Amino acid sequence: ETGVTQTPRHLVMGMTNKKSLKCEQHLGHNAMYWYKQSAKKPLELMFVYSLEERVENNSVPSRFSPECPNSSHLFLHLHTLQPEDSALYLCASSQELINQPQHFGDGTRLSIL
Amino acid sequence: EDQVTQSPEALRLQEGESSSLNCSYTVSGLRGLFWYRQDPGKGPEFLFTLYSAGEEKEKERLKATLTKKESFLHITAPKPEDSATYLCAVQASQDSSYKLIFGSGTRLLVRP
Repeated sequence: ETGVTQTPRHLVMGMTNKKSLKCEQHLGHNAMYWYKQSAKKPLELMFVYSLEERVENNSVPSRFSPECPNSSHLFLHLHTLQPEDSALYLCASSQELINQPQHFGDGTRLSIL
Repeated sequence: EDQVTQSPEALRLQEGESSSLNCSYTVSGLRGLFWYRQDPGKGPEFLFTLYSAGEEKEKERLKATLTKKESFLHITAPKPEDSATYLCAVQASQDSSYKLIFGSGTRLLVRP
């Protein structure tokens, strides 16, 4: 496989469920990111990891919990979500944090009932 | 406050009708400007990086240019397969400069 792979592609969950989103990058990059994309709004940066260390938590509610066990894998653990959390969640990676383009996966479409 | 504004919000072109998309930015120092293409149900696909005013990059029918205040994505003789949303993002040279600040995108539809 190449690029950035996200699973699942679609997820429907109730407000009391716990689920996790998975991201894997096959590019040998050192930095990984979680973004939220809502309809008609710019991409919102949620979390940034560099060499498995979290370097940014962009005022994200605690019901979103990231995990980066190694430089190739990134998880987003979800619990007690709200309807307004329904969105496309995108994972990205880049070689370095600065001056490098970010390469995106195809996202997980999340729907909260 | 750092800001990126893209215009127009939506653009309809006939096949072969050339046009330009605009990305205006306000940042305290620019590290880089990035163009992406996003198809429905997909993640953004990286197109170009521009680092300094006067720089130009080309790929097939697309050409990106950069000034001190804005960037243009010129589309020459577009085809229906060029239909997508085009996103612009900037990285500023200040604290937390690894953040990409995205615009809201331009939705391009090219009709045959």
